[in-house]
Amino acid sequence: GAGVSQTPSNKVTEKGKYVELRCDPISGHTALYWYRQSLGQGPEFLIYFQGTGAADDSGLPNDRFFAVRPEGSVSTLKIQRTERGDSAVYLCASSLRMTGPRGQVGNEQFFGPGTRLTVL
Amino acid sequence: GESVGLHLPTLSVQEGDNSIINCAYSNSASDYFIWYKQESGKGPQFIIDIRSNMDKRQGQRVTVLLNKTVKHLSLQIAATQPGDSAVYFCAEWAPGNNRKLIWGLGTSLAVNP
Repeated sequence: GAGVSQTPSNKVTEKGKYVELRCDPISGHTALYWYRQSLGQGPEFLIYFQGTGAADDSGLPNDRFFAVRPEGSVSTLKIQRTERGDSAVYLCASSLRMTGPRGQVGNEQFFGPGTRLTVL
Repeated sequence: GESVGLHLPTLSVQEGDNSIINCAYSNSASDYFIWYKQESGKGPQFIIDIRSNMDKRQGQRVTVLLNKTVKHLSLQIAATQPGDSAVYFCAEWAPGNNRKLIWGLGTSLAVNP
């Protein structure tokens, strides 16, 4: 497909379990973003990758959250010891590039449909 | 119809009317702003953007207005259609070494046929 895909679309887990959420960005997009969205609210930034490296992980709420992008394409968001408060829609977005602080702004971000995580 | 963000209001309009969705952004140093549309069960979709050196930009049926003096953005949708029903978010690019999008809370637009 041509767009950003995310799997699974829905994930129900029990408190304390480990989960992995996958994002397949648009081919050729070097920048990849993870967001978390609660009902009625805007997406909350978690982490962004430029290539394989995490350029900014300041939005990760705590050390239970971790994300990787080992080959600069697919990314996995990992959540350990899940808590009920982690329940949300996790969105992934990709863009062609993300430039520096005094350069042009990043290209348009294309979003996937999200993974709805429910922690019981 | 018209509404004010950053809490989640609902704006209800009749099909064919013009809609105005408002947003107050947070950082006076932000220099780029985007409006997104999010339909139920989908990720946000880019609608239109504007840089801080402009005060108005027009797209197809949409216009964004920027008032930097009061840190206010608005999205105007002409001849609103049922397919425009969605939640609309404004987002600003935060300045600094790692630029990232800061999102508002969203406004729900309901179009009545």
